[in-house]
Amino acid sequence: GEDVEQSLFLSVREGDSSVINCTYTDSSSTYLYWYKQEPGAGLQLLTYIFSNMDMKQDQRLTVLLNKKDKHLSLRIADTQTGDSAIYFCAVGASGTYKYIFGTGTRLKVLA
Amino acid sequence: GAGVSQSPSNKVTEKGKDVELRCDPISGHTALYWYRQSLGQGLEFLIYFQGNSAPDKSGLPSDRFSAERTGGSVSTLTIQRTQQEDSAVYLCASSLAHGGAEAFFGQGTRLTVV
Repeated sequence: GEDVEQSLFLSVREGDSSVINCTYTDSSSTYLYWYKQEPGAGLQLLTYIFSNMDMKQDQRLTVLLNKKDKHLSLRIADTQTGDSAIYFCAVGASGTYKYIFGTGTRLKVLA
Repeated sequence: GAGVSQSPSNKVTEKGKDVELRCDPISGHTALYWYRQSLGQGLEFLIYFQGNSAPDKSGLPSDRFSAERTGGSVSTLTIQRTQQEDSAVYLCASSLAHGGAEAFFGQGTRLTVV
């Protein structure tokens, strides 16, 4: 089945850029997503990218997709303490609308 | 309601007892998902309902777990004979059924089996 992997932790200083990486196995995934989970809260969609795109930018967020390597990344520019959260990569399993999530990356922003 | 509602928000139960977790999806969302979030384990897919189609139960960890969705709306996840390893946050999400649709998550039910 589909497998989605992320590193568990990332620590950056306030004002720096954060890059959160994700790898997946199903090359037929059409939509790839980034979700954010703040402490004690549910998950919220940050952004998503179609598989026919290489990059998507939305304000401080940049999503890069390398289909050949099945690698997805989320870059957060000018990271703020409010960005501290768990970030989940998710892919839409081929042929369904089922989401497969990664383990999540806990981002800690140091003041 | 405006969002996905789950109840109870917290549940403590004794090992061996059965529990029922409820999810009220957003009105009009035909897709409904249950996930389990354990500490350091990320989100584990449990079950997926889409309209009137047979549910995808491929993520249910054992036959102690079952779920139903009545009338295409409310869903109940039942865990029979709970074990300590069932302790986790159980998250429900719903979405419209099309590619790129956002999955809206509830706040989750934190289950503790003692």
